[in-house]
Parts: sequence; C-alpha cells; structure tokens
Amino acid sequence: DVKVTQSSRYLVKRTGEKVFLECVQDMDHENMFWYRQDPGLGLRLIYFSYDVKMKEKGDIPEGYSVSREKKERFSLILESASTNQTSMYLCASSPHDKSLYEYFGPGTRLTVT
Amino acid sequence: AQRVTQPEKLLSVFKGAPVELKCNYSYSGSPELFWYVQYSRQRLQLLLRHISRESIKGFTADLNKGETSFHLKKPFAQEEDSAMYYCALKEYGNKLVFGAGTILRVKS
Repeated sequence: DVKVTQSSRYLVKRTGEKVFLECVQDMDHENMFWYRQDPGLGLRLIYFSYDVKMKEKGDIPEGYSVSREKKERFSLILESASTNQTSMYLCASSPHDKSLYEYFGPGTRLTVT
Repeated sequence: AQRVTQPEKLLSVFKGAPVELKCNYSYSGSPELFWYVQYSRQRLQLLLRHISRESIKGFTADLNKGETSFHLKKPFAQEEDSAMYYCALKEYGNKLVFGAGTILRVKS
C-alpha cells in the first residue's frame, strides 16, 4: 500500500519565520507534488519534481521554494512566512507511468500568525 | 490555459435521491479526467477516472467531449457519500489541474 507521509498535521508559525514542510513517500515514485488547498479555490499546484534534484514551478510558486535531494523526500520551504500562506498543504506522489495516478499525503494545516 | 469548473460549491440531497456533481473542462488535447474525494478527516483519494470506465461505490462518470463535461453521478445517495469531491484534469507531464470542489451533503 502506497504511503505518503507529511511531517506535521498541524503547524503554527509566526510571520517572517522560515518554515519547512517535509513529505516522504515509500513507493519509489519519480514524481512528487506540493499543493495548497483553500476553500473555494480547490487545490493549486505550488511546485513539482520529476526526479531527484529536479523541480518545476506550478501555478503559484511565489513565496515558496522546494528541495529534492533524495527520491523519497520532497520538502516545501517558506523562506519568510506570511499570513496569506495560512492554508492546508498537501503532498502527492506518482510514478512516471502515465496510466497511474497521484497518491496524497494527509496534509499539513499551517497557520501563520 | 486548462481549466476545470465545478459550478456548485455545495450540493445537498436526501438519502436515496439521485446525485449529479457537475464538472466542465477546457483542454486543447485529448483529456484525461479524474474524480477525487475527501471524506471528513481523511486524505484525498482517487474515486474514479474516465479511462477505467468503472463504477466505484455506485458512482459513475462519463466523458462527454461534445459538451466538455465529466459529471459524476449516483442513482441513490447514501449518507456515507457526504464528502468533498474534486474533478481534476491531467496535463502534460502528469500534472493535475483541480476544480474548486463541491461539498456533497446527504441528509437522512
């Protein structure tokens, strides 16, 4: 059974802090994704990665960066957290095989005060 | 730009009533469409995808290229169907574009 885990379920940070959200998958998937989920807006792609050390911007990359040093781990970094980054963050992974689909982590609810 | 539209934020039906969650898309190529579901306090998970042409938990969805729609249907709603439903379109490179989501509430 595919498992995608995220380091925290709930996180509270102060404005200006550097925030790290970690995601780990155990199925040797090449693709990994970070989304944010907001009411009325659905899921919006922040960044994704097709392979180790590779990253591409999604639809809303501003204010975020990512790191993928190992295949199983994909980190989302908020260099200087702001209140408009308060949201639910979802990580997902999928294999390169286009016939297969994405598996999601449980989410991290981040509150920036 | 590729877009996925779910016109209803909330759909409320009685148990046993038919359900139709609407999804329209715009895409220049041959679309690959999905429905994802998120039950309360659970992670987002795949419900079904159009290439499988299967019925999952009584739900079906047919791709209508003429109307650019992929509506999700179930003939008799059950209380355990209450959840958030997202329609999604797969772009090049395995990226998914999601609609805004529809909350389905099934009342007893």
